[in-house]
Amino acid sequence: DSGVTQTPKHLITATGQRVTLRCSPRSGDLSVYWYQQSLDQGLQFLIQYYNGEERAKGNILERFSAQQFPDLHSELNLSSLELGDSALYFCASSPRTGLNQETQYFGPGTRLLVL
Amino acid sequence: AQTVTQSQPEMSVQEAETVTLSCTYDTSESDYYLFWYKQPPSRQMILVIRQEAYKQQNATENRFSVNFQKAAKSFSLKISDSQLGDAAMYFCAYRTRTGANSKLTFGKGITLSVRP
Repeated sequence: DSGVTQTPKHLITATGQRVTLRCSPRSGDLSVYWYQQSLDQGLQFLIQYYNGEERAKGNILERFSAQQFPDLHSELNLSSLELGDSALYFCASSPRTGLNQETQYFGPGTRLLVL
Repeated sequence: AQTVTQSQPEMSVQEAETVTLSCTYDTSESDYYLFWYKQPPSRQMILVIRQEAYKQQNATENRFSVNFQKAAKSFSLKISDSQLGDAAMYFCAYRTRTGANSKLTFGKGITLSVRP
């Protein structure tokens, strides 16, 4: 158990809908990262937050948005869903200080299926 | 931009034997981190081992060790005394040491099967 929690574990929805994925980082971690894992694109970085502020953006679609709240949990919002958005979405967190600052610890993922 | 290449899509090893998984990467940076992550059928991403580029000594974690060749930009993972529980997908990943963007760049992964 990495200490990173994600809800829900599974999500089935229809095209055009909007969903919210939630992530709680490990206790004390300020950085949260979102990744998408799909069969055709592999594991891709979407976005990073650090202590409530957006730090870096990757291949995140305009239909997707994220935020990190004062209690450090993060939400990834996916809207106008398309079949191609079906994927496993991971959240990861990394320590603020110490020897393992560079290491990202992953949550169990949310499996999204768009029908 | 950095890229990570895992050219072998699948490998197989006999239980108790040793197997080496290959990874190469491309970067213009001199300071960075490299990782191997394991993804079992549960789909959880589990850190196996990490290597700092500035360290010449190869990292070791129990039965897992790496062969880090900085000049060749190669980072292979050796699994000794393979166990059935080692069967999984393995991803090589790169992270820059400097700058605000500390994202991980992953290879496409390699599926390892372990024969009893």
